[in-house]
Amino acid sequence: EAGVAQSPRYKIIEKRQSVAFWCNPISGHATLYWYQQILGQGPKLLIQFQNNGVVDDSQLPKDRFSAERLKGVDSTLKIQPAKLEDSAVYLCASSPLMEAFFGQGTRLTVV
Amino acid sequence: QKEVEQNSGPLSVPEGAIASLNCTYSDRGSQSFFWYRQYSGKSPELIMSIYSNGDKEDGRFTAQLNKASQYVSLLIRDSQPSDSATYLCAVNPWDNTDKLIFGTGTRLQVFP
Repeated sequence: EAGVAQSPRYKIIEKRQSVAFWCNPISGHATLYWYQQILGQGPKLLIQFQNNGVVDDSQLPKDRFSAERLKGVDSTLKIQPAKLEDSAVYLCASSPLMEAFFGQGTRLTVV
Repeated sequence: QKEVEQNSGPLSVPEGAIASLNCTYSDRGSQSFFWYRQYSGKSPELIMSIYSNGDKEDGRFTAQLNKASQYVSLLIRDSQPSDSATYLCAVNPWDNTDKLIFGTGTRLQVFP
């Protein structure tokens, strides 16, 4: 079974630029999560989708972050404009019920 | 924000010993609990899930849950250097969603 696919693996941008991350979940998984993990911390939930609807986005900084899940499958997370404090690993995970399986993540460095 | 707390460590144990990792959570209604292992530079990997009070064993791993005390632990028997990683506790709070709230993780070091 193919795992969660994410791209790109690494991204370096300057502050105030925009960036987008892509995630393809495990086939058949209805739930998709985006987490932000800052070095030395646990993953922090940014947004959760159930099929193509948003279940929770209470910790998504909506003035700069946006996310969508197209047709209940792939998802993109966008940051515009980026700040230095957005430097982190962005993890996508999917779940059939509750056990979440993570992709390899995208390491973002904002300089 | 419902919280999940872990000691950041590092927890250092000799090879062959039992490593005990602990986690407490604030939402008394939480129903589902998970342990993830994260190697440096890698993404979290699910190793155990537990849903009811008591112990659940899988190979060298045992998860223990005590809902009355809001406490979940992970025991690793016969620890190996390859077990050296950060162990993340994740909890599904009782809010009719499937979201997972993670602790900050405990770094485990197993020395030969």
